[in-house]
Amino acid sequence: AQKITQTQPGMFVQEKEAVTLDCTYDTSDQSYGLFWYKQPSSGEMIFLIYQGSYDEQNATEGRYSLNFQKARKSANLVISASQLGDSAMYFCAMREGLETGFQKLVFGTGTRLLVSP
Amino acid sequence: NAGVTQTPKFQVLKTGQSMTLQCAQDMNHNSMYWYRQDPGMGLRLIYYSASEGTTDKGEVPNGYNVSRLNKREFSLRLESAAPSQTSVYFCASRSGGILSGANVLTFGAGSRLTVL
Repeated sequence: AQKITQTQPGMFVQEKEAVTLDCTYDTSDQSYGLFWYKQPSSGEMIFLIYQGSYDEQNATEGRYSLNFQKARKSANLVISASQLGDSAMYFCAMREGLETGFQKLVFGTGTRLLVSP
Repeated sequence: NAGVTQTPKFQVLKTGQSMTLQCAQDMNHNSMYWYRQDPGMGLRLIYYSASEGTTDKGEVPNGYNVSRLNKREFSLRLESAAPSQTSVYFCASRSGGILSGANVLTFGAGSRLTVL
C-alpha cells in the first residue's frame, strides 16, 4: 500500500502567487515525521521543512509552510509568493519507526512545479 | 563542507558487468542509506545501515549488495548489472537516534547509472 501519495504530477503557478502541493500519508505509528524536499533540475535533494506528528503548530520556514491536518492524514506544502527559482520537483516524505529506534524515510512520487513569469 | 560525496557521478555499464558506487560522509552520522530514483516512482530505499557494522534491506534490494566499511563509508555493489537497474542513485546520511525526530537526511549529488 502506498504510504505517501502525491496526486498532482504537475502544477503551474504564476510568479508571486501562492501554491499548495498536496501530500497524504498512511501510517499506524503514533509518532512519525513528515518532510518536504525540493529537487531542482540540477538533481540534488534539498530539505525544505519538517513536521512532527506531535507538533501542534504548523511548521513554517520562510516562504514555506506545512498545512498539517492529522485527522485527514495530510501534510500539504504551501509556497507563498512563488519565484522562478521555485520551479522544481517536490517530494513529500514520511519517517516512521520512531518508537522502534530506527527510522526510514519513505518518499512520494513527487510533484513537478513550474513557475511562470 | 563536503557533506555526502558519491562517486562516480555517471557510469555506463553493459548487461552483466559489475560495479560499486561509493559513498562517504564527513558529518559523523550514524545512519546511511541508498535510494534509487526512477521517473514516476519517487525515491525507493534499496539498503540502509543504522550504524557501523549493520546493514538491512529496504524496499528494492534485489540485485544489490552493500558494505558499511566504516562509519564514514557505505558502498553499493551491482554484481551483474541489468537494464532494470538503470537509474539515478542517491546516498544519504543522518545522525540518527530515537530522540532526533527532526534530523533530516543529507543527500549526495546522485550517480546516474545506465545499463545497456
